[in-house]
Amino acid sequence: NAGVTQTPKFQVLKTGQSMTLQCAQDMNHNSMYWYRQDPGMGLRLIYYSASEGTTDKGEVPNGYNVSRLNKREFSLRLESAAPSQTSVYFCASSEQDQPQHFGDGTRLSIL
Amino acid sequence: AQRVTQPEKLLSVFKGAPVELKCNYSYSGSPELFWYVQYSRQRLQLLLRHISRESIKGFTADLNKGETSFHLKKPFAQEEDSAMYYCALRGGSNYKLTFGKGTLLTVNP
Repeated sequence: NAGVTQTPKFQVLKTGQSMTLQCAQDMNHNSMYWYRQDPGMGLRLIYYSASEGTTDKGEVPNGYNVSRLNKREFSLRLESAAPSQTSVYFCASSEQDQPQHFGDGTRLSIL
Repeated sequence: AQRVTQPEKLLSVFKGAPVELKCNYSYSGSPELFWYVQYSRQRLQLLLRHISRESIKGFTADLNKGETSFHLKKPFAQEEDSAMYYCALRGGSNYKLTFGKGTLLTVNP
């Protein structure tokens, strides 16, 4: 009963490196979301995908790109990592007006 | 624009004491409100949804549209309730959530 699976769980990058965070859900949900969680800031929406084939910016999209590869998968890419992107990243999915289900998170440190 | 305010970053109570975590919101339409809980280094889990009017783990929350509040309450706190609690609002047709900044609840023995 996996739900929302994120990989990797931890990652350390150097400034300027690129990487892709992966997210997959097995609940056949149409909508998927990427958040970042920072101390004292709560969760902030980076990008979301209301349905397969569509993506939209959230509150803090700068420095990120996303791809909705298919209904199951929604990846988040950092093209040139910056220390300000050190954070815990959460992926979530939901079906229309149902509550969002979250993954375990990816702890990303950028040196 | 939609906004969620959780005025307390930290809340500390003793076991057996009542606890109330405050949440106020700003939204022009009819919002849907949620409480999510995150235990230490775990994923966020849905605790309550206002339309279901359930009591989960002894917690309740009532939507007060007049005061634009959705405070989370429990009459007798337990040590296992220690966690980060997030209030969230969903408005409009795109199903996005807006989160508050969270309240870290510590229940002392």
